Amino acid sequence: GEDVEQSLFLSVREGDSSVINCTYTDSSSTYLYWYKQEPGAGLQLLTYIFSNMDMKQDQRLTVLLNKKDKHLSLRIADTQTGDSAIYFCAEIPVYNQGGKLIFGQGTELSVKP
Amino acid sequence: NAGVTQTPKFRILKIGQSMTLQCTQDMNHNYMYWYRQDPGMGLKLIYYSVGAGITDKGEVPNGYNVSRSTTEDFPLRLELAAPSQTSVYFCASSNGGGYTFGSGTRLTVV
Repeated sequence: GEDVEQSLFLSVREGDSSVINCTYTDSSSTYLYWYKQEPGAGLQLLTYIFSNMDMKQDQRLTVLLNKKDKHLSLRIADTQTGDSAIYFCAEIPVYNQGGKLIFGQGTELSVKP
Repeated sequence: NAGVTQTPKFRILKIGQSMTLQCTQDMNHNYMYWYRQDPGMGLKLIYYSVGAGITDKGEVPNGYNVSRSTTEDFPLRLELAAPSQTSVYFCASSNGGGYTFGSGTRLTVV
């Protein structure tokens, strides 16, 4: 099937690390994406990883990819209250015509001061 | 460079009314998409287009229609609004990779 799975909620304290997990469906997906949605806003591309990489780091963000287990994670270091948002992982399966992104349900990150 | 622009931002419709949600992009992207977002349900694809003159159904197309007469514009039409169409609608475009999203249209059908 075409289900990208994420847990729905994560709550952390300010200054802690957050880890948001995702399992995706197609091991041949070329790119995997993380989007951030702040309250009342559209989705912003946060970061992405190419499928031949295991890890990508971008300032406070670290993306880990385990192709064998089809598992993707997003780590946010030193989480701030401004990181409170919904985070979506997404893939474009190779078999998918039209470049359609398949999204997970989104993980709502709540950062408590 | 405006990216993806959606209008209106908010709208209240009565049951049975019709309306068009506008979407335009200025990045010369071939691919355009319409999603709806309901609480806790993620994003569901309504319709998409791979280029001017070409449209196709997504996961939840019933009650909607689209057209793509130009590369820039991809309007979404609701012909007979129903309460089940109360949602937030997002338009997006891409060149085959990650999407650029509009800021959304919040629609309430009463």
